[in-house]
Amino acid sequence: AQRVTQPEKLLSVFKGAPVELKCNYSYSGSPELFWYVQYSRQRLQLLLRHISRESIKGFTADLNKGETSFHLKKPFAQEEDSAMYYCALSYNQGGKLIFGQGTELSVKP
Amino acid sequence: DTGVSQNPRHKITKRGQNVTFRCDPISEHNRLYWYRQTLGQGPEFLTYFQNEAQLEKSRLLSDRFSAERPKGSFSTLEIQRTEQGDSAMYLCASSLIRSGANVLTFGAGSRLTVL
Repeated sequence: AQRVTQPEKLLSVFKGAPVELKCNYSYSGSPELFWYVQYSRQRLQLLLRHISRESIKGFTADLNKGETSFHLKKPFAQEEDSAMYYCALSYNQGGKLIFGQGTELSVKP
Repeated sequence: DTGVSQNPRHKITKRGQNVTFRCDPISEHNRLYWYRQTLGQGPEFLTYFQNEAQLEKSRLLSDRFSAERPKGSFSTLEIQRTEQGDSAMYLCASSLIRSGANVLTFGAGSRLTVL
């Protein structure tokens, strides 16, 4: 079955430090991968998606089909990056999203 | 258009009662999704619609849960004979399906507490 795994429930870093939030998936075909973010008291919202290959708020993510990973990276964390981050997978051209359990990122001053 | 709207935002009910949640998607969006989220977990898929057709329903979903989207606009999610395990945040999302990635826009959610 299709699955998304985020191995870290909590990641705590200091401001200015590099950040990597891990995401691994299980699917044998060609998935669409996304990162969604939920800031405190806000709705879940799209951060970025692999097909657009863009950088949003300094974050990037590269799809590695060999390792079935889609890790989220930022070279210098900011306090405003503190939030819940969810990796998600879609596998049938626009159907449902399957979410991981989420990683809470805490950026300390 | 203020995005995806969900009502009520909070619902407290006693075990055994029925509850209904409503979702108003972004007007031009043709797909509508329901998810459930419990503390410490990611959103769990429940069901989704394209226009008025229910295209998929989670096999984990109890028969006590039913969703409708009668005119392809708003949707309702009803839970019959609620149980304490139904306590969760119920999220609605909508999207405009087109070639390329399917980007979901989420509502603020409806929090259910079953006593």
